[in-house]
Amino acid sequence: HSALTQPASVSGSPGQSITISCTGTSSDVGGYNYVAWYQQHPGKAPKLMIYDVSNRPSGVSGRFSGSKSGNTASLTISGLQAEDEADYYCSSYTSSSTVVFGGGTKLTVL
Amino acid sequence: EVQLVQSGAEVKKPGESLKISCKGSGYTFSSHWIGWVRQMPGKGLEWMGIIFPGDSETKYSPSFQGQVTISADRSSSYLQWRSLTASDTAIYYCARVSPVMVMQFDYWGQGTLVTVSS
Repeated sequence: HSALTQPASVSGSPGQSITISCTGTSSDVGGYNYVAWYQQHPGKAPKLMIYDVSNRPSGVSGRFSGSKSGNTASLTISGLQAEDEADYYCSSYTSSSTVVFGGGTKLTVL
Repeated sequence: EVQLVQSGAEVKKPGESLKISCKGSGYTFSSHWIGWVRQMPGKGLEWMGIIFPGDSETKYSPSFQGQVTISADRSSSYLQWRSLTASDTAIYYCARVSPVMVMQFDYWGQGTLVTVSS
């Protein structure tokens, strides 16, 4: 399974909303509702932000939401804050019973 | 509190062997899958494989099958190389597969930096 496709970078101003896409195939994103999103600040370990496409773990801000249509999953961050500036990675379960990550998206808060 | 604590940074020469560790606490380690993720310098995350410590069942990404060995005992998981190359230079994270999610990581270790250089 090839890496899922994410935009290399996105940006937005404080208070705005942004959406990061994650495109795969019917053998991964499109075939299962097991898409996760992770946030990674520089020099830190990744943190789970969304699981099972659209569920938020306890403690994650409600400004983060996830969705999926066909082979593309999306992460939306509303009310952008400076602390949201980070790299974001999607992941999906695959038909080979493995997991594939996206290439990552750098979010810049202007 | 669930914690995964990884072993410290390593500097090795090409051809040397290495085993790094990930110790879990705050939960029943043997009952939850543990995974390993590679992050090469300035690059993205790559899923390497997972292990169920209770019975050592293991699943590898095809990209890493035969290149590394994932193992575990009652409280720790290990990632092992027989012969390192410069391309193994990376940060390696261990992470717990959530018991309520399918193949999604809910807790992560702090990462182990492995540097391979002559």
